[in-house]
Amino acid sequence: AQKVTQAQTEISVVEKEDVTLDCVYETRDTTYYLFWYKQPPSGELVFLIRRNSFDEQNEISGRYSWNFQKSTSSFNFTITASQVVDSAVYFCASGDNFNKFYFGSGTKLNVKP
Amino acid sequence: GAVVSQHPSRVICKSGTSVKIECRSLDFQATTMFWYRQFPKQSLMLMATSNEGSKATYEQGVEKDKFLINHASLTLSTLTVTSAHPEDSSFYICSATGRGASYEQYFGPGTRLTVT
Repeated sequence: AQKVTQAQTEISVVEKEDVTLDCVYETRDTTYYLFWYKQPPSGELVFLIRRNSFDEQNEISGRYSWNFQKSTSSFNFTITASQVVDSAVYFCASGDNFNKFYFGSGTKLNVKP
Repeated sequence: GAVVSQHPSRVICKSGTSVKIECRSLDFQATTMFWYRQFPKQSLMLMATSNEGSKATYEQGVEKDKFLINHASLTLSTLTVTSAHPEDSSFYICSATGRGASYEQYFGPGTRLTVT
């Protein structure tokens, strides 16, 4: 089994601030996948990124960036110049070879104008 | 991208009745579907995994007689909450994965169940 920990329950920032959401995972699998999802108040999960365990290259997509570090078993997510529309709950998840997902407890991000 | 729908989006039922939630893959064949449950301000908890044409595999602690899952076709899975009680009120989310789409799950928009 895998485990994902999101230690930050809730974060509040002011618009335009940068914010990093932490994610730490535990697994004994050599092949695994890591994900980030956004869940706005509507409830629908919005896929943000998928990373496999063999690809430690960091990724940037607009204001979003992800830092994958196998040495610390972390897959952190940074939002640059946050906006009010970024307010949501963000989930980090890992997936195993059987396509079973393990979700973290989520981090609620409040971006204030 | 792959689209998964759920119906209904919201349902209110009386205690003791049963309610069925449908999960459909609209533009791909879903060989495996997953059902999650999410309580307010909590994470998603996997309830069961269903493969088309076979019985669902339930996670520990999930009552299979209470949460009936049917995956009769490659595009449809249903979750029936039998003899619902107020504590079954929750947000139910399904996801699906198709052939050749390993390590990816496409999530439905969720169904909010309220049992009065």
